[in-house]
Amino acid sequence: AQSVAQPEDQVNVAEGNPLTVKCTYSVSGNPYLFWYVQYPNRGLQFLLKYITGDNLVKGSYGFEAEFNKSQTSFHLKKPSALVSDSALYFCPRGGNTGKLIFGQGTTLQVKP
Amino acid sequence: DGGITQSPKYLFRKEGQNVTLSCEQNLNHDAMYWYRQDPGQGLRLIYYSQIVNDFQKGDIAEGYSVSREKKESFPLTVTSAQKNPTAFYLCASSRDWNQPQHFGDGTRLSIL
Repeated sequence: AQSVAQPEDQVNVAEGNPLTVKCTYSVSGNPYLFWYVQYPNRGLQFLLKYITGDNLVKGSYGFEAEFNKSQTSFHLKKPSALVSDSALYFCPRGGNTGKLIFGQGTTLQVKP
Repeated sequence: DGGITQSPKYLFRKEGQNVTLSCEQNLNHDAMYWYRQDPGQGLRLIYYSQIVNDFQKGDIAEGYSVSREKKESFPLTVTSAQKNPTAFYLCASSRDWNQPQHFGDGTRLSIL
């Protein structure tokens, strides 16, 4: 079955340091992958997507992610974290029906 | 501005009562989705609709019903058969299956 996993419940990083939020996906099917961010009591905001093409995907707010087929990963990265980046991050995978399959999410805490 | 509007923001249900959550979009998107979010879990798909007058069950459809009579609207009814309805409900829409989903800001449903 198609699935994604976010192995870390929480990631802590100091402001100004680089951040990485990890995501791995199951091998079955074509991995259409997304990253979304959710602030408290709000809906999800789209950051970036990988459907096909370049493995390095650049998205909103300075975020980027690298699709790695050999490691079945799609980690989210940012060179310099901001306190305002503190939120809940999801990397769902999609398919040709538009259905998104979510993992449990990763809470990012950026400390001043 | 285009977007998705969910109402109400907070809703309380009495035992044995059906309640309806509203979702309206002015993005001219064909596809619409309803998700449920519980603490510490990712989003789970309840129902989705790829076109007017058609909808499909998601992973946790039991105790819920939907309609899609207009392109702009996709209301969700939480019936009395749903025994654990307390959750954060999110509606989303997308232009096509491989396009990002746009989310509303959710309705938080609680039991009185």
